[in-house]
Amino acid sequence: AQSVTQPDIHITVSEGASLELRCNYSYGATPYLFWYVQSPGQGLQLLLKYFSGDTLVQGIKGFEAEFKRSQSSFNLRKPSVHWSDAAEYFCAVAPNRDDKIIFGKGTRLHILP
Amino acid sequence: DAGVIQSPRHEVTEMGQEVTLRCKPISGHNSLFWYRQTMMRGLELLIYFNNNVPIDDSGMPEDRFSAKMPNASFSTLKIQPSEPRDSAVYFCASRMQTRSEQFFGPGTRLTVL
Repeated sequence: AQSVTQPDIHITVSEGASLELRCNYSYGATPYLFWYVQSPGQGLQLLLKYFSGDTLVQGIKGFEAEFKRSQSSFNLRKPSVHWSDAAEYFCAVAPNRDDKIIFGKGTRLHILP
Repeated sequence: DAGVIQSPRHEVTEMGQEVTLRCKPISGHNSLFWYRQTMMRGLELLIYFNNNVPIDDSGMPEDRFSAKMPNASFSTLKIQPSEPRDSAVYFCASRMQTRSEQFFGPGTRLTVL
């Protein structure tokens, strides 16, 4: 069965510092991969997605993610975080375009001023 | 364009009462998903529809939960009778047939006393 692992429940970084959130998936073929962000009291918003092509994917809000097949990883990065990036981030996987999405447990990002 | 619309945004009810949550997907989207989010269990898929037909309801916790999609622009999730353990945020999401990503509504925060 497919699964998504986000090993860090909480991450704290200083404003202006770089960020990397980890995500590992378990699936035989190359799945569809997503990162969503959820601000407090809000629904989930899509940051970026990957299913083929260039393994470095650019998203909204200055985020990017890199697909590494050999490591079954899809880590999210941002070179310089802003206080407004404080939120919960979800990695997700789907085996194909039409299937349901499996979400990780989420990583809550805290920003120090 | 309007996003996914959910109502009510907040619902407080007493144990044993019937609760109905409503969702209007994005126009032109043909898949609709109902999720439940709690601190303990994270984000869980309850049921999803393609072209108004339920495809996978394996996440529906009990017979007390039911979902309908009478047409392409409206869906309901009903809990009858409600119990305190049903307290959670319920999200609706929709997806276009030709795309993989889902778009989430703002959620309904349900509190069962």
